[in-house]
Amino acid sequence: AQTVTQSQPEMSVQEAETVTLSCTYDTSESDYYLFWYKQPPSRQMILVIRQEAYKQQNATENRFSVNFQKAAKSFSLKISDSQLGDAAMYFCAYRTLFGNEKLTFGTGTRLTIIP
Amino acid sequence: DAGVIQSPRHEVTEMGQEVTLRCKPISGHDYLFWYRQTMMRGLELLIYFNNNVPIDDSGMPEDRFSAKMPNASFSTLKIQPSEPRDSAVYFCASKPGQGKGFNYGYTFGSGTRLTVV
Repeated sequence: AQTVTQSQPEMSVQEAETVTLSCTYDTSESDYYLFWYKQPPSRQMILVIRQEAYKQQNATENRFSVNFQKAAKSFSLKISDSQLGDAAMYFCAYRTLFGNEKLTFGTGTRLTIIP
Repeated sequence: DAGVIQSPRHEVTEMGQEVTLRCKPISGHDYLFWYRQTMMRGLELLIYFNNNVPIDDSGMPEDRFSAKMPNASFSTLKIQPSEPRDSAVYFCASKPGQGKGFNYGYTFGSGTRLTVV
């Protein structure tokens, strides 16, 4: 079974600085999807960015980018120019390419933005 | 689009009572998921449907939990009888089918916070 590990329960960053959140996963599959979700205090789960394992290019969405290292099974999220609205729990998630549509989540990293 | 709509937003009930959580997925989405979030176990999939048919219910904790999807625009998650350990946030999510943005992530609802006292 696939597992997703987020080893940083909490992180903090100064406003306007850059922060990187770590995620590793374990799978025997060669093709899959990886996601980062944001959960602000409102509780809503919001998709931040996704990566297809068969694509070598790292995904980017505005200030959010990933560093996908397939061999190392690592999928980190970089937030540039951090803003107060980025404060939230961030969850890394895995989904197989074929078959079960289940998302397997990590335990999350709480990100605090320091003004 | 109004997104995935869940009701109620909060529910407080007494142990032993029946609880029904409701979800309206995004129109046109073929997949519907029920997740539970707790501090101890994190986010875990309870069950998911494809075109109203349950596909994987291996995460349903026990017979006290049941889920239905009578049509493409409505699903319920029922707990009978409820217990204090069922206290959690329950999320519903939906996703398009093949050829309709299938490979994107889910869209989640705002969740129902259930407290069983």
